[in-house]
Amino acid sequence: DIQMTQSPSSLSASVGDRVTITCRASQSIGSNLNWYQQKPGKAPNVLIYSGSRLQIGVPSRFSGSGYGTDFTLTITSLQPEDFATYFCQQTDSFPLTFGGGTKVEIK
Amino acid sequence: QVQLQESGPGLVRPSETLSLTCTVSGGSITSSYWSWMRQPPGKELEWIGYVYGSGATNYNPSLKSRVSMSVDTSMNHFSLKLSSVTAADTALYYCARYVRSGNHYMDVWGKGTTVTVSS
Repeated sequence: DIQMTQSPSSLSASVGDRVTITCRASQSIGSNLNWYQQKPGKAPNVLIYSGSRLQIGVPSRFSGSGYGTDFTLTITSLQPEDFATYFCQQTDSFPLTFGGGTKVEIK
Repeated sequence: QVQLQESGPGLVRPSETLSLTCTVSGGSITSSYWSWMRQPPGKELEWIGYVYGSGATNYNPSLKSRVSMSVDTSMNHFSLKLSSVTAADTALYYCARYVRSGNHYMDVWGKGTTVTVSS
């Protein structure tokens, strides 16, 4: 199985901050990496798919980059509604696997 | 737009079979892939498998011997069965639509349902 290592596991940030979350795959997965946002009691929501493609309806302050084993999710100017947990997922090979998640909290 | 809702017992006895249903509203269950995931308390998400609208399946090898997924097109829902459960199967269970048209990702998720395995 491909292991997905996400860092940091949590971070504290202020509204307006630039936030970067990293996901590393245990082997190359090309661009087959997705990012999701999860809020308590709500359905997870895809933000970025195929490494860098912004899902329709997702604000442009979210962006994804990377290829192979190293990927990044960036939020350019953190908004109050962005405080949530973010996790990555590889869809390069089965079984699909997820990162451990990053909880973004208010500083 | 498509919405998903998980349903099923919140408590299952050890050694019994966990059964969950995901009802699809706002769209047809055929011609799409449907996936189940779970997240044990304090742990990361685990992909359980998927079922296609035709009934074809693909399961996580770690659970394959105990998992069964199916589609009911008349009810527009799909189901998960996990047999011989133990406390390790206690988790928040999610269903999702799995896009596999060039790009692969889960574009619609249910809110999740908590299942506790306990006597």
